[in-house]
Amino acid sequence: GQQLNQSPQSMFIQEGEDVSMNCTSSSIFNTWLWYKQEPGEGPVLLIALYKAGELTSNGRLTAQFGITRKDSFLNISASIPSDVGIYFCAGQGENAGNNRKLIWGLGTSLAVNP
Amino acid sequence: DAGVIQSPRHEVTEMGQEVTLRCKPISGHNSLFWYRQTMMRGLELLIYFNNNVPIDDSGMPEDRFSAKMPNASFSTLKIQPSEPRDSAVYFCASSRGTPGRIAVELTGELFFGEGSRLTVL
Repeated sequence: GQQLNQSPQSMFIQEGEDVSMNCTSSSIFNTWLWYKQEPGEGPVLLIALYKAGELTSNGRLTAQFGITRKDSFLNISASIPSDVGIYFCAGQGENAGNNRKLIWGLGTSLAVNP
Repeated sequence: DAGVIQSPRHEVTEMGQEVTLRCKPISGHNSLFWYRQTMMRGLELLIYFNNNVPIDDSGMPEDRFSAKMPNASFSTLKIQPSEPRDSAVYFCASSRGTPGRIAVELTGELFFGEGSRLTVL
């Protein structure tokens, strides 16, 4: 099925560093979402974006809905060990019905060295 | 508040056996989703229900897979017969869709269960 291009695939950083990851799509989306999955758990929603150009923060996390509606970015500032996990982007189409199914990226695996 | 509850958390079975995975969505949520997660393919949507009605099962791999939602608080995903390539983590998720002109409009704000890790030997 259709998937988003999410990068980087993995990151290994030092505690305290900032992190940046992004997702791109060939399709226009009405909604961009960022989820985090920790080992042995299901994904948990971090941030939802509903408007092109929107910049939303959740603590140390900041996400942006690209102005072209084909990309989104997630930044984590001052990383800490509990930020470890896999971060997924997901996009939702603009039309009603089945086009509203989520399209998922393959994830960015983040490791933080204390 | 109780989240999405899945069972079993882990299942190891032999090829050819029937597997039944269970899900209890969050009370009040009207959309339910079954996903499969593997390293190679990531998160794949298998099927979703709105108001207990299957809407799209195009992601179900083949006839060996079936899903039911007999009521608003329970759903099952069955694999019969199971094969080694079915080994994966299966997630159930629910959401509170918004009323649409024709049907429930899907929201991207999903609440996932902890998953059922299936190993088929």
